[in-house]
Amino acid sequence: GNSVTQMEGPVTLSEEAFLTINCTYTATGYPSLFWYVQYPGEGLQLLLKATKADDKGSNKGFEATYRKETTSFHLEKGSVQVSDSAVYFCALSDTALRNSGGSNYKLTFGKGTLLTVNP
Amino acid sequence: KAGVTQTPRYLIKTRGQQVTLSCSPISGHRSVSWYQQTPGQGLQFLFEYFSETQRNKGNFPGRFSGRQFSNSRSEMNVSTLELGDSALYLCASSLWGHNQPQHFGDGTRLSIL
Repeated sequence: GNSVTQMEGPVTLSEEAFLTINCTYTATGYPSLFWYVQYPGEGLQLLLKATKADDKGSNKGFEATYRKETTSFHLEKGSVQVSDSAVYFCALSDTALRNSGGSNYKLTFGKGTLLTVNP
Repeated sequence: KAGVTQTPRYLIKTRGQQVTLSCSPISGHRSVSWYQQTPGQGLQFLFEYFSETQRNKGNFPGRFSGRQFSNSRSEMNVSTLELGDSALYLCASSLWGHNQPQHFGDGTRLSIL
């Protein structure tokens, strides 16, 4: 079955530090890949996505590249801010369902990584 | 544009009771999915509805059920509540189509005493 493994955390950084959160996946076919962010007391917000190999998703200074050869989708940001403190989830879509013409309505998530950025 | 709205935000129940949670998707979104989030198991897919039909179901017991109305609003029901059902229940909606992302609500926090 599909699975997503991401670094456990928590990750604690100082403001303006470089961030990497590792994510690897196991899936049949070629899933779409996502990063979601969850702030305290809120639901998940889509941060970025990539739908095919070598695609780079980017948003708000965050980037992730879909690496088929290493089955990875690592999240990076060059300079983190205190406001980036949140839990980050890597996720993939179900390829079989996608190929049937549907949307990404069944996501498999990693366990989440808590990021704390100190001033 | 209003986001996904879930009600209520918080709910406290006792074992053996049943509960109904509500989700109003983003206008124009016809696909609604439900997820359970717990510290131990993380985020797990419950089921997905499109045009009032359940298209896919996760690995949860039959106590968990749902439905979707003609206006795309969805409800999920949990019967005979157990302590382990304490969780954040998240609803997500999306447009139909290839690679459309899911948009999540803020969830309903269900606590079982």
